[in-house]
Amino acid sequence: RKEVEQDPGPFNVPEGATVAFNCTYSNSASQSFFWYRQDCRKEPKLLMSVYSSGNEDGRFTAQLNRASQYISLLIRDSKLSDSATYLCVVNGGSNFNKFYFGSGTKLNVKP
Amino acid sequence: DAGVTQSPTHLIKTRGQHVTLRCSPISGHKSVSWYQQVLGQGPQFIFQYYEKEERGRGNFPDRFSARQFPNYSSELNVNALLLGDSALYLCASSFPRGNYGYTFGSGTRLTVV
Repeated sequence: RKEVEQDPGPFNVPEGATVAFNCTYSNSASQSFFWYRQDCRKEPKLLMSVYSSGNEDGRFTAQLNRASQYISLLIRDSKLSDSATYLCVVNGGSNFNKFYFGSGTKLNVKP
Repeated sequence: DAGVTQSPTHLIKTRGQHVTLRCSPISGHKSVSWYQQVLGQGPQFIFQYYEKEERGRGNFPDRFSARQFPNYSSELNVNALLLGDSALYLCASSFPRGNYGYTFGSGTRLTVV
């Protein structure tokens, strides 16, 4: 089983839509969780950390469910500029130095 | 402030050759990690270094090695290159536990022919 699994993409949505990405992780001892965004042929960039209580940053909301080992990212009012691949990232539990990336979910926002 | 800098940006090597990739972390970051990203997949962890010591290693063969220097910069070395080593190699710097996430460099795109 992969350490981090994400919804397969691509997600094709119109501008203004709300879209949700899901991610599951296998190590119950994982402590740090993040969402990264990666544009085509560019490096991943940190979008937001994910906290147990859930957190919001503008149009983006991240949630963590430790019991189900599940992370989500919600994007409201999608913009064309949101088109990218979204990567779920989880640290390796007791090996906190090792971070595992999901394979990413591609989002295409269309006019 | 400069971000994470990597060199070279692109590289073409032939099978069996050796390659050295370089990384300079963000000022103040003492931890450097290396990742390999093959097209269509997420980055795969190779190594993490902190205070010049290896703190984590991924599932890569011994042909892959790395080191960190006193100024916290780092090198990734790959020996006996295979076609399958063709990938984007990403360096990331962070605070020691990575609690605040990584900042990645723009990567070195390695093509092995």
